[in-house]
Formats: sequence, C-alpha cells, structure tokens
Amino acid sequence: EDQVTQSPEALRLQEGESSSLNCSYTVSGLRGLFWYRQDPGKGPEFLFTLYSAGEEKEKERLKATLTKKESFLHITAPKPEDSATYLCAVRQQGSNYKLTFGKGTLLTVNP
Amino acid sequence: SQTIHQWPATLVQPVGSPLSLECTVEGTSNPNLYWYRQAAGRGLQLLFYSVGIGQISSEVPQNLSASRPQDRQFILSSKKLLLSDSGFYLCASDGGYSNQPQHFGDGTRLSIL
Repeated sequence: EDQVTQSPEALRLQEGESSSLNCSYTVSGLRGLFWYRQDPGKGPEFLFTLYSAGEEKEKERLKATLTKKESFLHITAPKPEDSATYLCAVRQQGSNYKLTFGKGTLLTVNP
Repeated sequence: SQTIHQWPATLVQPVGSPLSLECTVEGTSNPNLYWYRQAAGRGLQLLFYSVGIGQISSEVPQNLSASRPQDRQFILSSKKLLLSDSGFYLCASDGGYSNQPQHFGDGTRLSIL
C-alpha cells in the first residue's frame, strides 16, 4: 500500500491559470513533509519542508500547506518555466533518515 | 549550501559488465548520504544510505552494493550488471542532523544493453 499518493498524475494549465497539486499520506506520525521540483534529466530540487498541520510556506508563485492527512502545493498565475514534475516526500516518526516519495505530478504550463 | 557532484551523467554498459558510480559532496561535513534509483512511473526508490564512513545500510536486496571510503564520497557498484539495473541513479545528502531535507545531485542515466 502506497504511503504517499500524489494527484493528479499530470496537469496541463494555461499561463496564468492557478491550480493545486495534492499529496496525501498515510504514515503514522509525521516528522516532516517535503516538496521538490524535478526538471527532465535533473535531480530533484528542494522547495519546502512542512512539519505540522496548519503550517504554510511560500516561494514566489508556490505555496505549500499541510493538514493531518495531506498537503497541497498551490500554484498562482503559473508561467511556462514552472513546468516540471513536483514530488512530495514524507519522513515518519521513528526515522531519522528515510524519505518515502510519491510518484509525482507532471505539470505543464502552456504559454 | 551543499553541492552534490555525480558522474558520469550518462553511461551505457553491456550486460555482465562491472559498474562504479561516484558521488561527492561539498559544503557540509558528516553528511548522511543516499543512493536512489528512479524508474519511470515508479517514483524514487531508496537503495542505500550511510550515516558515516564505512557504515552502509541496504534498503532492498539487489545486484548492487555501496561504499563510503571518505566522509563526503559515496560509491555505487556492481560486479555484473543486469538488464534490470537500467535506470536513473541519484545521490542525495543531508546535513546529518535529524529531519533535514535531502539535496540531490543531477543523477546518472544508466542504460544496459
């Protein structure tokens, strides 16, 4: 059973069309939830860490939020350069190291 | 900030040949180091992690091994490659403090013929 599920698998937006990506998790006891951006042929680039329900982080057009069961990555007025795969990962209680990743959402922003 | 170097960027190897992928880290000391494999549609799979020199933990049984000969050097190896070893291999590092984000290198695309 997947512990981290991301939806949708793929999302196409027009430039300026805001939307949200979802990451739901089923781990018992969350130590941290991490968002990454991955461009084709590159390694994931760290975006945000969220530690507790109600927490929010922002960076440019991106805003990440966290509840007890899921996280959202809100993209406001996206631009074509925001096109990438967005990955979510969780670290659960009892683990100092291991991250469990979702399969990602492929975002395409058309001009 | 940390910088993770991986090489080579791409590699094509015949079945049965050996493998050595290297990862080095700059900008931090005593990092935790990780090897992942990323397959299309399957997400990142943790292969090995290391919390110190000579300390290696394996997450899944496989045809690969890892070594950490120096604090900021992590090597992924195989004696005989299988077709199923093809994939995108990523090295990652965190600061060694608990609950820190991992930072990734740009990966090696390995194709087995």
